Amino acid sequence: GIQVEQSPPDLILQEGANSTLRCNFSDSVNNLQWFHQNPWGQLINLFYIPSGTKQNGRLSATTVATERYSLLYISSSQTTDSGVYFCAVEGNAGNMLTFGGGTRLMVKP
Amino acid sequence: DVKVTQSSRYLVKRTGEKVFLECVQDMDHENMFWYRQDPGLGLRLIYFSYDVKMKEKGDIPEGYSVSREKKERFSLILESASTNQTSMYLCASSPRLNIQYFGAGTRLSVL
Repeated sequence: GIQVEQSPPDLILQEGANSTLRCNFSDSVNNLQWFHQNPWGQLINLFYIPSGTKQNGRLSATTVATERYSLLYISSSQTTDSGVYFCAVEGNAGNMLTFGGGTRLMVKP
Repeated sequence: DVKVTQSSRYLVKRTGEKVFLECVQDMDHENMFWYRQDPGLGLRLIYFSYDVKMKEKGDIPEGYSVSREKKERFSLILESASTNQTSMYLCASSPRLNIQYFGAGTRLSVL
């Protein structure tokens, strides 16, 4: 099946700093989503982005499908950005999302 | 807003018990999913359903079964709970071939 790798696995930032999270995948995809899991376990959709670029406030994401990667940018980070960020992809074969291992982000005040 | 509701946030059960985890969505989504999340292993798909009474195995279906008698409800069943099924269980739903929306999760401990 499709492989999804995220980097870095862990990231510590000072409040106000910017960061880039990366997601590499092994095959062509027709669905790619970024999620944020808060400290209480809730997974929140950030972006549905199988290709192109999207922005939502301080967050933006870019997927370059031909090169099989996606990037999530966090600007002016806040302590509430802490948690785990997951990239998940769906290959052309069906309805199942495959999740990466996540990037655990801690933003310090 | 899409709402996916899992019946319990925390659950403690004994080995050998039959356990039901319930998930309800209010957006008439065709697809529903059950995942488990474990440290170091990420999220893994147990089962999914693309229609009422339809189900497909995910990556780790062993020890689990599911039921979807109504479109809005998808149940995960542990026929005889074991300690290695202690985990965080997450339910999700999606319109066909689209964004998945997750419930708040159920932390299950099997003693």
